[in-house]
Amino acid sequence: DGGITQSPKYLFRKEGQNVTLSCEQNLNHDAMYWYRQDPGQGLRLIYYSQIVNDFQKGDIAEGYSVSREKKESFPLTVTSAQKNPTAFYLCASSSRLASSGANVLTFGAGSRLTVL
Amino acid sequence: GQQLNQSPQSMFIQEGEDVSMNCTSSSIFNTWLWYKQDPGEGPVLLIALYKAGELTSNGRLTAQFGITRKDSFLNISASIPSDVGIYFCAGPMRGSNYKLTFGKGTLLTVNP
Repeated sequence: DGGITQSPKYLFRKEGQNVTLSCEQNLNHDAMYWYRQDPGQGLRLIYYSQIVNDFQKGDIAEGYSVSREKKESFPLTVTSAQKNPTAFYLCASSSRLASSGANVLTFGAGSRLTVL
Repeated sequence: GQQLNQSPQSMFIQEGEDVSMNCTSSSIFNTWLWYKQDPGEGPVLLIALYKAGELTSNGRLTAQFGITRKDSFLNISASIPSDVGIYFCAGPMRGSNYKLTFGKGTLLTVNP
C-alpha cells in the first residue's frame, strides 16, 4: 500500500542533543513537508521541498534542518538550537487536485519528540 | 498572513447528535480542505472543495464552500463515538499552491 512512514513514533532526547526524524513516502509525490503540532496551535510549517535537492523554510524553521537527497525521503533534524523541541511532528507529501491545481497533503502518522 | 479561524474550538456532544463547525478567513481561498486527526495519528483528508457554493458529501459528512470564498462549513450527521478527533480546515497560502495554511482545529468529543 502506498503511504508515508514516519519513524520513530516516540523519541526521547536529552537537552543539547540533535535528533533526526525519518520520513519516507512511496506515493511518487514530488513535494514533501514537515509540520509541527502543539496543543491548541494547529499545524505550523517547518520546511517544505518541492523537488529533490531543493527545500524552503516554512514559518518556524529556526532550530531545524532538512535534506532532500532522494524523492522518497525527507528527514528532519531537530538541533540543539531549537529552544522548545517537545512536540508532535508530522511529515506530509502532496499531489495536486487536477481541477484546481491546489495541493492535497497526505500525512504520516507522526513522531512525538519529548525532551527530558 | 492568511489566517483560518475555526469555531468552535471544542465540542462535547452525545452520540446521535448532529455537529456543525466552520472556518472563516479575511482572505479569499480557491480551495478548502477538511481533515480529521484521530488521537496520536496524522490528519486524514475528509473532503476537498474547489468551487464557490459547492456542497459535497462523504457519507455522514457534508461540507460547503462559502459563496464569498472566505468561509467553509463542515457538518456531521448522527455522530458516533469514532467521530472523536480534531477537525482541521486548510487552504492554499496566497501565492503558493504548494503550501497549505491550517486552522487551529475543532476538538470533537462524542459521549456514547
